Amino acid sequence: KAGVTQTPRYLIKTRGQQVTLSCSPISGHRSVSWYQQTPGQGLQFLFEYFSETQRNKGNFPGRFSGRQFSNSRSEMNVSTLELGDSALYLCASSLDRGLGTEAFFGQGTRLTVV
Amino acid sequence: KQEVTQIPAALSVPEGENLVLNCSFTDSAIYNLQWFRQDPGKGLTSLLLIQSSQREQTSGRLNASLDKSSGRSTLYIAASQPGDSATYLCAVPVYNQGGKLIFGQGTELSVKP
Repeated sequence: KAGVTQTPRYLIKTRGQQVTLSCSPISGHRSVSWYQQTPGQGLQFLFEYFSETQRNKGNFPGRFSGRQFSNSRSEMNVSTLELGDSALYLCASSLDRGLGTEAFFGQGTRLTVV
Repeated sequence: KQEVTQIPAALSVPEGENLVLNCSFTDSAIYNLQWFRQDPGKGLTSLLLIQSSQREQTSGRLNASLDKSSGRSTLYIAASQPGDSATYLCAVPVYNQGGKLIFGQGTELSVKP
């Protein structure tokens, strides 16, 4: 079966612009989480969505937002881009939020802010 | 607050060697621990998920162990191959926070032919 699909794979944006990233989870999975990966900070949790509701949020400014649709697909948006937002953004898909649930990741979206 | 540490940060071994990667965590109240592999510029591939009630989990040449009481997990790779070269990450879910994972910084493995 198809894995987690993230689009686009690469993006180049200018400071001050906004960007929207998309994640399609594995079919049947209802939980989607987003992470930011940078060389200095490693993998940091952004937020988690389940049943179209944000269930958890990491320590990121309000410029970072997201949503989940009824088919479990999720989007994240970053407004007023800063150079420091350059990173690999990863989406993880899980069957549900239950204990012991395995997470599966997509290939990521590489965002470069210039 | 849960913290996850991986030592060493980098490891270089000759092909064919057996090796162990280490992962330690500060809060033993975990549901499970997951090991991932990441190739440069790519996403994470799940290797093994070991539940808190398990001591070991095996997949092919990989074996993961978990000792909750000491806050440690190891990933054993048998008969390493150049194709095993990648960064290996361990992660634990945050207690009572659903899908939020805390990751270690990873061990970058290089297997020389």
